[in-house]
Amino acid sequence: QVQLHQSGPGLVKPSQTLSLTCAISGDSVSSNRAAWNWIRQSPSRGLEWLGRTYYRSKWINDYALSVKSRININPDTFRNQFSLEVNSATPEDTAVYYCAREEQQLTHAGLDSWGQGTLVTVSS
Amino acid sequence: DIVMTQSPDSLAVSLGERATINCKSSQSVLYSSNNKNYLAWYQQKPGQPLKLLIYWASARESGVPDRFSGSGSGTDFTLTISSLRPEDVALYYCEQYYRIPWTFGQGTKVEVK
Repeated sequence: QVQLHQSGPGLVKPSQTLSLTCAISGDSVSSNRAAWNWIRQSPSRGLEWLGRTYYRSKWINDYALSVKSRININPDTFRNQFSLEVNSATPEDTAVYYCAREEQQLTHAGLDSWGQGTLVTVSS
Repeated sequence: DIVMTQSPDSLAVSLGERATINCKSSQSVLYSSNNKNYLAWYQQKPGQPLKLLIYWASARESGVPDRFSGSGSGTDFTLTISSLRPEDVALYYCEQYYRIPWTFGQGTKVEVK
């Protein structure tokens, strides 16, 4: 049973960096059959996929173009977790942020494990 | 980006009756080399994260009751709840994982009539 646990501040000031961490239990961030995603949800934008990181002989990152210039998703193999950074935060980044595991096999797919969600408000 | 459009936005169904949610993608999510549709369905209850119900358009996730079924191919998909139970009241989303960025429908709210 894979479990994801998110941590990070719920309030960020405009222009500062939004940082969240997702700790993994029951799987490895270096797994060769999973990818590790960040998704956010807001009333105005709905569900928005932000990006992912995964290991296939080397670390690979994919990012949504809408945020690509401002975000970093980094694995931490020592702590078995991965993180999200959104630079130069604005009020439009206010949302509930989720981390999620993505299975990458022909026998199974989809975002099958989710963190509990973190409401991040960008406000002074 | 592939745009996912769900219909209806909300529906009210009597307990024990069938609920049907539609999802249309702006381009095909059928990968011809393996004949798989890269389409998933999720359920979300208030204050909770999404829960995977269906992947490959019609494969049921382990532990999901068999009253939930998915169908469709190419650009048109359906999630059916064959006999609505009180615990099925929730928001339902489709998602394509055919091409990055993964994109979601706007959601369909299912309520009891």
